[in-house]
Amino acid sequence: DTGVSQNPRHKITKRGQNVTFRCDPISEHNRLYWYRQTLGQGPEFLTYFQNEAQLEKSRLLSDRFSAERPKGSFSTLEIQRTEQGDSAMYLCASSLGTGVTDTEAFFGQGTRLTVV
Amino acid sequence: GNSVTQMEGPVTLSEEAFLTINCTYTATGYPSLFWYVQYPGEGLQLLLKATKADDKGSNKGFEATYRKETTSFHLEKGSVQVSDSAVYFCALASGYSTLTFGKGTMLLVSP
Repeated sequence: DTGVSQNPRHKITKRGQNVTFRCDPISEHNRLYWYRQTLGQGPEFLTYFQNEAQLEKSRLLSDRFSAERPKGSFSTLEIQRTEQGDSAMYLCASSLGTGVTDTEAFFGQGTRLTVV
Repeated sequence: GNSVTQMEGPVTLSEEAFLTINCTYTATGYPSLFWYVQYPGEGLQLLLKATKADDKGSNKGFEATYRKETTSFHLEKGSVQVSDSAVYFCALASGYSTLTFGKGTMLLVSP
């Protein structure tokens, strides 16, 4: 397994455009997380899936942000009507978990979004 | 809510020096504690973890002890190398392992 894969690695978009990022987790992992990291800060949790169910989405930054994980495999994070403040690194992580126990979370290299 | 505070960087050391990066936390319940490392151009990697009070996590010469009485999880290494230059993040997890991170501490090691 090559680990958590995120695409694209870099995205430059104009303000007001929609963008979509993809995350392919480690194949046997049932849990998938999205985080956002701005310059000089640690990653900030956005949302979480267990299989195809989105179990936590209250931390998504606004209703312009949405995430899906159809069939419990890859996930997409969409930002509609992008704003300059959305410029950040978007990180995906996956883990294998049952109940409240988990393996460690493995992170992808992230997608760096720049909104101009 | 949960929060993690770690010392600001950059921390600049000469090779073979002793390293301490301080980390304190605020959390409800009994969180698990982690140190993650981010090398230049790479993704976050788990460095070590501790899941209960008085546990010591260790890896690659780094270690940290879960101190419930002081709500701390300080990272230490006896002799740093140039290859240890990276950004180090302290984090905690409670509830389905969603992680709360500190702001990160950059370590720069010179030969």
